[in-house]
Amino acid sequence: QVQLVQSGAEVKKPGASVKISCKASGYTFTTYYMNWVRQAPGQGLEWMGIINPSSGTTSYAQKFQGRVTMTRDTSTSTVYLDVSSLRSDDTAVYYCARSGDYYNWFDPWGQGTLVTVSS
Amino acid sequence: EIVLTQSPGTLSLSPGERATLSCRASESVSSSYLAWYQQKPGQAPRLLIYGAFIRGTGIPDRFSGSGSGTDFTLTISRLEPEDIAVYYCQQYGSSPRTFGQGTKVEIK
Repeated sequence: QVQLVQSGAEVKKPGASVKISCKASGYTFTTYYMNWVRQAPGQGLEWMGIINPSSGTTSYAQKFQGRVTMTRDTSTSTVYLDVSSLRSDDTAVYYCARSGDYYNWFDPWGQGTLVTVSS
Repeated sequence: EIVLTQSPGTLSLSPGERATLSCRASESVSSSYLAWYQQKPGQAPRLLIYGAFIRGTGIPDRFSGSGSGTDFTLTISRLEPEDIAVYYCQQYGSSPRTFGQGTKVEIK
């Protein structure tokens, strides 16, 4: 079955960077796009961007341009989200979510990775 | 950016009742690229509906979607206790993809 398994929780200080992984299994990794979505505590869902695992091409939401980098490793079927210059309002659960095309619904989602930014 | 506004914020109903959730877009959603997700406490969102009215794999038929343009609806025909969750609509036809703020469904 299709599965997205994310790396574990992280605690970071303001100004630091964090790199989260999302390992895909159960399908051909390069034939589906991957999105990243975050959810601050008690808040709604916010789309951060998308990566094409085949080409490595990315598109980021304007809010995150310059501070977020999405990459992939086709040898391990893993995508990565790197967030730099962390602030306290980056504290959130970060989800990866597969989509069948550039403009497509998200299914399935990873289990989420909690990133806590605190001094 | 397309802003999605969901109403009501909270819906309190008894088991077996019909739940009607609304999602209104600030501009037309292209090709009905509108999805609904269910999120239970402590869990990741789960796809319910895509293309405005197509149920995802394994989704019970008590969940249905309708609408087009700027007005969309998710209906739960007979509420079950396991339907307690927050429901989000999402447009995926333009960038950035955006989500509504969510409707919380509670059992009365």
